[in-house]
Amino acid sequence: EVQLVESGGGLVQPGASLKLSCVASGFTFSDYWMSWVRQTPGKTMEWIGDIKYDGSYTNYAPSLKNRFTISRDNAKSTLYLQMSNVRSEDTATYYCTRDPNWDYWGQGVMVTVSS
Amino acid sequence: DVVLTQTPPTSSATIGQSVSISCRSSQSLLDSDGNTYLYWYLQRPSQSPQLLIYLVSKLGSGVPNRFSGSGSGTDFTLKISGVEAEDLGVYYCVQGTHDTWTFGGGTKLELK
Repeated sequence: EVQLVESGGGLVQPGASLKLSCVASGFTFSDYWMSWVRQTPGKTMEWIGDIKYDGSYTNYAPSLKNRFTISRDNAKSTLYLQMSNVRSEDTATYYCTRDPNWDYWGQGVMVTVSS
Repeated sequence: DVVLTQTPPTSSATIGQSVSISCRSSQSLLDSDGNTYLYWYLQRPSQSPQLLIYLVSKLGSGVPNRFSGSGSGTDFTLKISGVEAEDLGVYYCVQGTHDTWTFGGGTKLELK
């Protein structure tokens, strides 16, 4: 059974950094591109970016590429999202999902940016 | 970025009724490789989104065949032929043709 389990969320102050993780199981993680998607409290969905199966290439939403970094550790079947200089508008539920069709999603992890 | 406009924003249906949701794109979603990267997802209350349709009209694994997708270029439609209670939630169209993937604003399907 394919599973994606995110972790690392919580309450963080504006300007801080945070690293989210997504542990994959039930499939060969190193065969797949992976993506991060977020959903604001108002339910707006936004694609953050994706990463090639071997980690050699990443693609980001232009509005986020200067603050967010996607990486992966195929030996650990884990996807990461490093968030820096977070802002209140980064408050959202963050999902990892499997490319190319986003056929599997994690349960999501909440990030709240507030002082 | 490509803007996807979904209509209606809310749809009320009775069980067994057929429902259609429209997704219009600000640019053609036909890629140079000949594919059209238009997807549909359902997010049930308090759940993660789930894939329904990929590449305009291909049914996701395990998705009931009462769901169907159609369209081309800039106009796309998701049809549910005979709504069931488990179909309630928010439907999103998504495009992956252009560099930045974008979502429609969502259509909430409610019981009448």
